[in-house]
Amino acid sequence: QSALTQPASVSGSPGQSINISCTGTSSDVGSYNLVSWYQQNPGKAPKLMIYEGSKRPSGVSNRFSGSKSGNTASLTISGLQAEDEVDYYCCSYASGRTWVFGGGTKLSVL
Amino acid sequence: QVQLQQSGPGLVKPSQTLSLTCAISGDSVSSDSAAWNWIRQSPSRGLEWLGRTYYRSKWHFDYAVSVKSRIIINPDTSKNQLSLHLNSVTPEDTAVYYCARAGCPQGSGCSAFDLWGQGTMVTVSS
Repeated sequence: QSALTQPASVSGSPGQSINISCTGTSSDVGSYNLVSWYQQNPGKAPKLMIYEGSKRPSGVSNRFSGSKSGNTASLTISGLQAEDEVDYYCCSYASGRTWVFGGGTKLSVL
Repeated sequence: QVQLQQSGPGLVKPSQTLSLTCAISGDSVSSDSAAWNWIRQSPSRGLEWLGRTYYRSKWHFDYAVSVKSRIIINPDTSKNQLSLHLNSVTPEDTAVYYCARAGCPQGSGCSAFDLWGQGTMVTVSS
């Protein structure tokens, strides 16, 4: 199972909005509404930010939103803040009863 | 409050077996609305799902193709924990290993990893 494709880095200014893409195939992102997004601070475990493509767990800011079109999912962060400057990973359920992650995206808030 | 507490050695010799334990508090390894997973992370391989177990009238196991021939995940209902055993390790297995819960709402599949252990750095070296 190949990893999902994410840009290695994205950047934006405080207050702006950014998008992080996550491209898979018809065997994962395109076939299931089970894309999730994780935020990871250095040295910490990933934290769930979005599940089932666009749902936010309790306690996650509404500045974070998710969507999907075809084989590509996207994470949008609006009103960028300095604290958002960490790593983000997408994940999808995949055929064969497995899960596959993206390579991760480092967000810079300039 | 649900917590996952990992334990196990941080150094394993090549060709030996990597064994880790994940103790669950506040939930049950036999829960019918959760699945219990092992995930690892390394600079070279990124985040990699390794496998899971869950109980739905009987125990189910799913493993990643990349480790399927070398991995065993064991649930222990008496201790409410799960373990990971990865045999014939090489330096490529050096990584931070996480246990993680996937929520599985009644009537639908498991959707995402909503709870993670603290992670265990495991180095494979002689």
